[in-house]
Amino acid sequence: KAGVTQTPRYLIKTRGQQVTLSCSPISGHRSVSWYQQTPGQGLQFLFEYFSETQRNKGNFPGRFSGRQFSNSRSEMNVSTLELGDSALYLCASSSDRGVNTGELFFGEGSRLTVL
Amino acid sequence: EDQVTQSPEALRLQEGESSSLNCSYTVSGLRGLFWYRQDPGKGPEFLFTLYSAGEEKEKERLKATLTKKESFLHITAPKPEDSATYLCAVTTGGSYIPTFGRGTSLIVHP
Repeated sequence: KAGVTQTPRYLIKTRGQQVTLSCSPISGHRSVSWYQQTPGQGLQFLFEYFSETQRNKGNFPGRFSGRQFSNSRSEMNVSTLELGDSALYLCASSSDRGVNTGELFFGEGSRLTVL
Repeated sequence: EDQVTQSPEALRLQEGESSSLNCSYTVSGLRGLFWYRQDPGKGPEFLFTLYSAGEEKEKERLKATLTKKESFLHITAPKPEDSATYLCAVTTGGSYIPTFGRGTSLIVHP
């Protein structure tokens, strides 16, 4: 069974640019969550999508947005990049049962560097 | 505000030297406590879910326990391949979105 796939794995952008990250969940998983991981803040929840609807949202500015497609694949977008957006962005998928047990399956992440 | 604190931040052990990692939490209405393992350059890997005080879960050299205020991840006779960052997370009340601690970086020397 294929795991969670995130693309691209690494990218470098400059301040003011925007970026789109992609996530393909495990087949059959309808819930996709996004997290930002930095050394200073640890893992911070961005948002969660379920069946193309945003179900939960963390405390991030509106520059951070996302969407989910009918095949459960998800994208997140960060506009007007700031230096502080440099981080590892992790996508996690979960089965309907796993949503309640906390069993998240994470991808390997997209490492974003903003110069 | 829900708080999850892990200690120590870093731990160095010799192979075979057993130890414990701590995760303390101050939340209202614990729904579940989770342990994950994260290797460098990779995403976290789910290990355990604990729901109520007194519960224990085991997997190979790892054993997770839960009290009303904290959880311990006991590592028995660790091997170098156990080196990783161990993350603790909790869900509370009606939310299933986990709040993560900062993690404990474990290095096991051969």
